[in-house]
Amino acid sequence: AQSVTQLGSHVSVSEGALVLLRCNYSSSVPPYLFWYVQYPNQGLQLLLKYTSAATLVKGINGFEAEFKKSETSFHLTKPSAHMSDAAEYFCAVSGGSNYKLTFGKGTLLTVNP
Amino acid sequence: EAGVAQSPRYKIIEKRQSVAFWCNPISGHATLYWYQQILGQGPKLLIQFQNNGVVDDSQLPKDRFSAERLKGVDSTLKIQPAKLEDSAVYLCASSLKTRQGFYNEQFFGPGTRLTVL
Repeated sequence: AQSVTQLGSHVSVSEGALVLLRCNYSSSVPPYLFWYVQYPNQGLQLLLKYTSAATLVKGINGFEAEFKKSETSFHLTKPSAHMSDAAEYFCAVSGGSNYKLTFGKGTLLTVNP
Repeated sequence: EAGVAQSPRYKIIEKRQSVAFWCNPISGHATLYWYQQILGQGPKLLIQFQNNGVVDDSQLPKDRFSAERLKGVDSTLKIQPAKLEDSAVYLCASSLKTRQGFYNEQFFGPGTRLTVL
């Protein structure tokens, strides 16, 4: 069984400030972990993924995430927020032979000018 | 490369009516997924196909939902009869063939937003 908990359904930051979106996971097998972004009325776009290689993963648009097994966490960060980062972000875990994705409930990021 | 196509983009129906959604995956992608995304929640997998066979349909409400992928390419998801709680966005995704020990990225379509009145 696998699950994801995203802490904070809504995060608000100022433009240029640090973005930190939190994700904790539970998995009975070594997990693959993902962050997806969803803009209004669009599908999900993969930001980055962890698939058991380097624990610090760099993604698109300046985002990165660090896999911490001891903390069962995979938090998403970006040093400086841009207005275009405003969207909903989903953390997901995958494990097992089917690589079924289990998503968290999402975090809505708003960026204030 | 064309992405995952879905139609219609929006659909409004009354409860107890039936509705169907269509998905055309990226060319060459053997694996196709249907997800249900209720407002305020993350997507939930309804069914996964590998070619025209079902891999996982454990979370599909089979009393009212059905899906098919007859020729292993495009797919249709049907709801009959619809209930108010079926209001959601239905996302289709596709990936290269799933195989043990090798993850293939899922690519998502824009979704169909269903409103049941």
